[in-house]
Amino acid sequence: DTEVTQTPKHLVMGMTNKKSLKCEQHMGHRAMYWYKQKAKKPPELMFVYSYEKLSINESVPSRFSPECPNSSLLNLHLHALQPEDSALYLCASSQVGQETQYFGPGTRLLVL
Amino acid sequence: GEDVEQSLFLSVREGDSSVINCTYTDSSSTYLYWYKQEPGAGLQLLTYIFSNMDMKQDQRLTVLLNKKDKHLSLRIADTQTGDSAIYFCAESDYSGGGADGLTFGKGTHLIIQP
Repeated sequence: DTEVTQTPKHLVMGMTNKKSLKCEQHMGHRAMYWYKQKAKKPPELMFVYSYEKLSINESVPSRFSPECPNSSLLNLHLHALQPEDSALYLCASSQVGQETQYFGPGTRLLVL
Repeated sequence: GEDVEQSLFLSVREGDSSVINCTYTDSSSTYLYWYKQEPGAGLQLLTYIFSNMDMKQDQRLTVLLNKKDKHLSLRIADTQTGDSAIYFCAESDYSGGGADGLTFGKGTHLIIQP
């Protein structure tokens, strides 16, 4: 089973809202990732968690707040987003020490 | 910094072979990957190659790596309409110290002509 699930599939939010994106995997992977993908662009790395600890933050604005409550779950908390934050948010997971990353289907976010 | 380059479009006839090319600059790249993305979907891992290999074959897919020229290619034999998608080349320079992110090329849009 190489499935990574993400909820919700679509999300529309206003600039004053607070929402959360969720990602789950049951492959026993101990590394999890958030990427942002704008239309017609490649994915860009946002955060990396390794053994449930934040190991990489690619200078992401604080209105994005990641959380890894356990080895199977990864959340991305959103607050006071801007319209330019509208994008596809992709979660991925891998073994630590094996960089083959498996991606979820993404959450398509629209900020109004 | 790391850079991965791909041509943006490739058009092939159904049944022909498709060859998608990629170049990268990071000489410490450890793994090189090919991902497929269909419209509105996430990324599907197609195949990957470790940097000490020069070829890998998996059914209709053949990956060739020229480490000297930092050139990677993906050949899809007998291209079908279901192969129409964007193909991303990606690299990581994992050195055994932990998890690292991937650096992606801009993606090649494969267009299949009937």
